Amino acid sequence: KAGVTQTPRYLIKTRGQQVTLSCSPISGHRSVSWYQQTPGQGLQFLFEYFSETQRNKGNFPGRFSGRQFSNSRSEMNVSTLELGDSALYLCASSLANSGANVLTFGAGSRLTVL
Amino acid sequence: QKEVEQNSGPLSVPEGAIASLNCTYSDRGSQSFFWYRQYSGKSPELIMFIYSNGDKEDGRFTAQLNKASQYVSLLIRDSQPSDSATYLCAVNSGGSQGNLIFGKGTKLSVKP
Repeated sequence: KAGVTQTPRYLIKTRGQQVTLSCSPISGHRSVSWYQQTPGQGLQFLFEYFSETQRNKGNFPGRFSGRQFSNSRSEMNVSTLELGDSALYLCASSLANSGANVLTFGAGSRLTVL
Repeated sequence: QKEVEQNSGPLSVPEGAIASLNCTYSDRGSQSFFWYRQYSGKSPELIMFIYSNGDKEDGRFTAQLNKASQYVSLLIRDSQPSDSATYLCAVNSGGSQGNLIFGKGTKLSVKP
């Protein structure tokens, strides 16, 4: 069973550019969550999508956005990149059924902003 | 501001010893608790989750939850060098299920 797939794995951008990251969840998983991981702040929740709807959003500026498609694949976009956006962006999927809701993380997309 | 606190370490234990990792959380309404392991350069992987007060055991790992003290811990018995990693405590505080609040992690080093 394939895991959570994130693309691209590495990318370098310059300030002011925008970036789109992609996440394919585990087959059958309907919920996709995005996290930003930095050495200083650790893992921070960006947003969660379920059935193409944003279910929850973390405390990030509007430059960070996302969407989910009917096949549960998700993308996140960061516009007008800043140096501080350099981070590992992790996508996690889950079944989103009742009870235990275990998140399975992808390998991440490491973004460097120059 | 809901917070999860962990000692950043590093926590160093000899091979074969018990490693004890601790975590406190601020939101008394927190409902579910997770321990993830993250090797350097890799993504987090789930070790255990716990909902109810008390202990939950899975192989060499035991999670302990005390909601009155807002405290959750992870014990690793017979620690192995391969257990050397950063251990992340995560809490779901009633938000949507994909919204976990993570501590910054405790770095564990198991010395042969």
